[in-house]
Amino acid sequence: DTEVTQTPKHLVMGMTNKKSLKCEQHMGHRAMYWYKQKAKKPPELMFVYSYEKLSINESVPSRFSPECPNSSLLNLHLHALQPEDSALYLCASSQDSGRAAKYFGPGTRLTVT
Amino acid sequence: SQQGEEDPQALSIQEGENATMNCSYKTSINNLQWYRQNSGRGLVHLILIRSNEREKHSGRLRVTLDTSKKSSSLLITASRAADTASYFCATDRETSGSRLTFGEGTQLTVNP
Repeated sequence: DTEVTQTPKHLVMGMTNKKSLKCEQHMGHRAMYWYKQKAKKPPELMFVYSYEKLSINESVPSRFSPECPNSSLLNLHLHALQPEDSALYLCASSQDSGRAAKYFGPGTRLTVT
Repeated sequence: SQQGEEDPQALSIQEGENATMNCSYKTSINNLQWYRQNSGRGLVHLILIRSNEREKHSGRLRVTLDTSKKSSSLLITASRAADTASYFCATDRETSGSRLTFGEGTQLTVNP
């Protein structure tokens, strides 16, 4: 299985809602990532988990809260988002948090109203 | 700030032609990777070239790396309509650990 899955594919939420994005991989990868991508722009790194521990937080606002329950799962909890947070949220994994190629999921298209 | 800059921003060619995309970066790197993205969906890893390599091939893809000029190029030979996508270079900097930094991307359109 060389796939990273993400749910949901699309999400519309109000600014007072709480929602979660989910990501799963069964490749035995020990590093997992969240990226944010705005339209016609490159992906921007948000968080890195290495061996289930948060290793990098790129100064992301606290309204985004990552969680790694186990080595196969990665969640992104969303609370009190702003309309400018609307974007494609991409999850990725790699064999380790070093120099390996990243495998990306299809993304969750988030719209904040 | 983004590490890489790509040119051209957009490229339109006919099926069967070759497509060349260029990427420049600013700091020392451990490796450089190329990814493809179709219609705002997930990225697909194409090829990784290490800083001590100069050229790499994978099928119809050819990547070169010139660390003295801090630049890379991706050549797609005998292009097909299915190659239509956005192509991003991404650099893994020597000191960044796992911070993969993407360039602005090139939108390639291959006309049938």
